Amino acid sequence: RKEVEQDPGPFNVPEGATVAFNCTYSNSASQSFFWYRQDCRKEPKLLMSVYSSGNEDGRFTAQLNRASQYISLLIRDSKLSDSATYLCVVTSRVSGGYNKLIFGAGTRLAVHP
Amino acid sequence: EAQVTQNPRYLITVTGKKLTVTCSQNMNHEYMSWYRQDPGLGLRQIYYSMNVEVTDKGDVPEGYKVSRKEKRNFPLILESPSPNQTSLYFCASSSHFDPEVGSPLHFGNGTRLTVT
Repeated sequence: RKEVEQDPGPFNVPEGATVAFNCTYSNSASQSFFWYRQDCRKEPKLLMSVYSSGNEDGRFTAQLNRASQYISLLIRDSKLSDSATYLCVVTSRVSGGYNKLIFGAGTRLAVHP
Repeated sequence: EAQVTQNPRYLITVTGKKLTVTCSQNMNHEYMSWYRQDPGLGLRQIYYSMNVEVTDKGDVPEGYKVSRKEKRNFPLILESPSPNQTSLYFCASSSHFDPEVGSPLHFGNGTRLTVT
């Protein structure tokens, strides 16, 4: 089983739609969670961190459910420019006592006119 | 401008011909890392470095070497490339080796390598 699992999509939605992605993680000890965005053929960039209480940044809302070990990303009022792959990222403690990032394979979103 | 610079962007080579992909960051970051990205697998860490002269294996280090002689540079070396190393490679840096302490990862713009 992968440490971080995402539905690869694609999610094809019209402009203005609300779309949500989930991501599940296997390590119950993971402490930090992030969403990165990756445009086609480009490098990943941090979209937002995910806090225990949930957090919002404009049209984007991230939620964490520790009991069920999943995080979610909700995008409201989708724009054409939101078309990208969204990477779920969690931390995992390694033997040296520090944390490393584990990346999901990503969920592709395509917003059409 | 704060950035991570990788070169080359595209590289086509043949099996066994040694190559180096360069990576440089201008943010004085301690932590640098190399990833490869393959369809359906996500980003997998190859090697990382917590500081100058400190490097360690990631999840998929076989067939790769790195060095960290200076803080800003972290080249990836393929001594004898093979077709299974065809992939998209990203260099990344962060202010601290622990992602729960430091800044987000800053990625270079990628190197698409094809080994025939």
